[in-house]
Amino acid sequence: SAVISQKPSRDICQRGTSLTIQCQVDSQVTMMFWYRQQPGQSLTLIATANQGSEATYESGFVIDKFPISRPNLTFSTLTVSNMSPEDSSIYLCSVESKGYTGELFFGEGSRLTVL
Amino acid sequence: EDQVTQSPEALRLQEGESSSLNCSYTVSGLRGLFWYRQDPGKGPEFLFTLYSAGEEKEKERLKATLTKKESFLHITAPKPEDSATYLCAVQAGRSGGGADGLTFGKGTHLIIQP
Repeated sequence: SAVISQKPSRDICQRGTSLTIQCQVDSQVTMMFWYRQQPGQSLTLIATANQGSEATYESGFVIDKFPISRPNLTFSTLTVSNMSPEDSSIYLCSVESKGYTGELFFGEGSRLTVL
Repeated sequence: EDQVTQSPEALRLQEGESSSLNCSYTVSGLRGLFWYRQDPGKGPEFLFTLYSAGEEKEKERLKATLTKKESFLHITAPKPEDSATYLCAVQAGRSGGGADGLTFGKGTHLIIQP
């Protein structure tokens, strides 16, 4: 199984600022995804992080608000831009291992609180 | 649009009392149906992937089954440590290869009382 490290694990941010979340995997993966889990809710897919090209965003999410980078097969970042209290959520990275094994793994999440 | 509906929203059982959680889904081109366990403050923990109707998988006290429209997670003789939120999700395949991300249900919050 893939081991996923997310940083920061939690942070408290001021309205109007931006924060970048890092996702590091211990092995090469084919696909990386970013999800949001709002308080008391289930997970919602934000985007697919594509290696070497722009991320693919789901309906309701835009690049200007959630820019994503994926420079290689083991690392991705998600930036939450110009934050408001409504962005207070847990942001999770998920990966599909190289040579699809039928398992998609999640990191422990980054809990953001925007004041 | 892919959709996943889980029921019940919450379930309280006595230790040893077996039950089932339901996951109804609609998806265009199912690549896989996933079950996860999520504990408070943690990321989802992978349990099972099911691919086609009739498939079953087991892990300890958990057994997942799949039909063309729904999946069940059966919990046999549960223990208090089985208390968690259980999430169901579907993944659609893409015609050119690769796959979409997961579409999740809202989860079933399971409490096992000693």
